[in-house]
Amino acid sequence: QLKLQESGPGLVKPSETLSLTCTVSGGSISSFFWTWIRQSPGKGPEWLGYLHYNGDTDYNPSLKSRVSISADTTKNQVSLRLTSLTAADTAVYYCARETISSTYHPHWFDPWGQGTLVIVSS
Amino acid sequence: QSVLTQPPSVSGAPGQRVAISCTGSGSNIGANYDVHWYQQLAGTAPKLLIYGNNNRPSGVPDRFSGSKSGTSASLAITGLQAEDEAEYFCQSYDSSLTAVVFGGGTKLTVL
Repeated sequence: QLKLQESGPGLVKPSETLSLTCTVSGGSISSFFWTWIRQSPGKGPEWLGYLHYNGDTDYNPSLKSRVSISADTTKNQVSLRLTSLTAADTAVYYCARETISSTYHPHWFDPWGQGTLVIVSS
Repeated sequence: QSVLTQPPSVSGAPGQRVAISCTGSGSNIGANYDVHWYQQLAGTAPKLLIYGNNNRPSGVPDRFSGSKSGTSASLAITGLQAEDEAEYFCQSYDSSLTAVVFGGGTKLTVL
């Protein structure tokens, strides 16, 4: 059974860079798409971007200049980097596997990790 | 303000049927992009409930069903149970934003 676990600092200062890691167990990160999604308090989820195992990436245009996603296949981990943080970036950050389908578009996300809360504050 | 609009809350008594709407526009649901639904129990991560408008993953009870028409989609839950109390989100794609988009979420209360 595939399991995803996010980890990273719970508190970061404004203007700093956030780095989060998603450790995948029960399967290899090769052969799939991996997505980062965040959810601010009381709001719906926001898609941040995805990484394909072949290295292709796509990011939400609203964040494109600040976000990057990468992978370490030796550790079976997917990482998120978000720069120039502000209070608006305070959220629970989730990683998820993006299920690929030739029938439906867009793809869907399953499973999700448990999420990690990131607070941006001085 | 989410691109996909959901009612903030719905409620129903045990055994009843409720429906949750997800209203989009011509650049997302109306552009024939598919809709997926997630259930988020309190304090947990979202869980896939419906994919491809009306398909249930293995393990999801058939009390849950989805539909899509025009610029809207809907999630129906029949035979409400206390364990269904959760937040529900819809997800699709918007061609104007060139991004995956989610609804703002609907809190279901089982009376």
